[in-house]
Amino acid sequence: DQQVKQNSPSLSVQEGRISILNCDYTNSMFDYFLWYKKYPAEGPTFLISISSIKDKNEDGRFTVFLNKSAKHLSLHIVPSQPGDSAVYFCAASASMRFGAGTRLTVKP
Amino acid sequence: NAGVTQTPKFQVLKTGQSMTLQCAQDMNHNSMYWYRQDPGMGLRLIYYSASEGTTDKGEVPNGYNVSRLNKREFSLRLESAAPSQTSVYFCASTLWTGSSYNSPLHFGNGTRLTVT
Repeated sequence: DQQVKQNSPSLSVQEGRISILNCDYTNSMFDYFLWYKKYPAEGPTFLISISSIKDKNEDGRFTVFLNKSAKHLSLHIVPSQPGDSAVYFCAASASMRFGAGTRLTVKP
Repeated sequence: NAGVTQTPKFQVLKTGQSMTLQCAQDMNHNSMYWYRQDPGMGLRLIYYSASEGTTDKGEVPNGYNVSRLNKREFSLRLESAAPSQTSVYFCASTLWTGSSYNSPLHFGNGTRLTVT
């Protein structure tokens, strides 16, 4: 059972533009979500999180939006930089479940 | 401060062989986890240990066993390796407050295992 879904395996954007990565979940009891970033040959690292009591959380160029009624969250990166090229995973904290990941490529 | 250390980094096994993947953390975290990463499948939880002395199954526990040796160390054992266990294995840790799992996971750099 895929409790956390990332339906886009890959995304390519131009440097300076916005990157939007999407994530859906099935369990309405999930109340805390995290995004991780993973470079090749390294472990994932924590990027940003959001609690269900909020609908938006910002940290510099990264903003996560949560739509509880749609059971959907998204990660916005503005402006995108080539160093942002990585695989991004969303996760639901309570279940310790991760999505399949989205590979972001930012072209110079 | 090394964080989460996994050994070995690479391993090749023949079908039926056994091995233990080691993981140690120096952040005084109480909860530790083992995940496997496969193409198109993301990170799937194998086993976890919410605190020293406890272990629980995750999504894909079959074919694996774990030992929480002490607060710092959490090992993953493959008793009889199969080609389906070819994967990259990640260990992670976090501080569980007892009421929520809202602290981020800290991951090691992984063990790449190939079973032929």
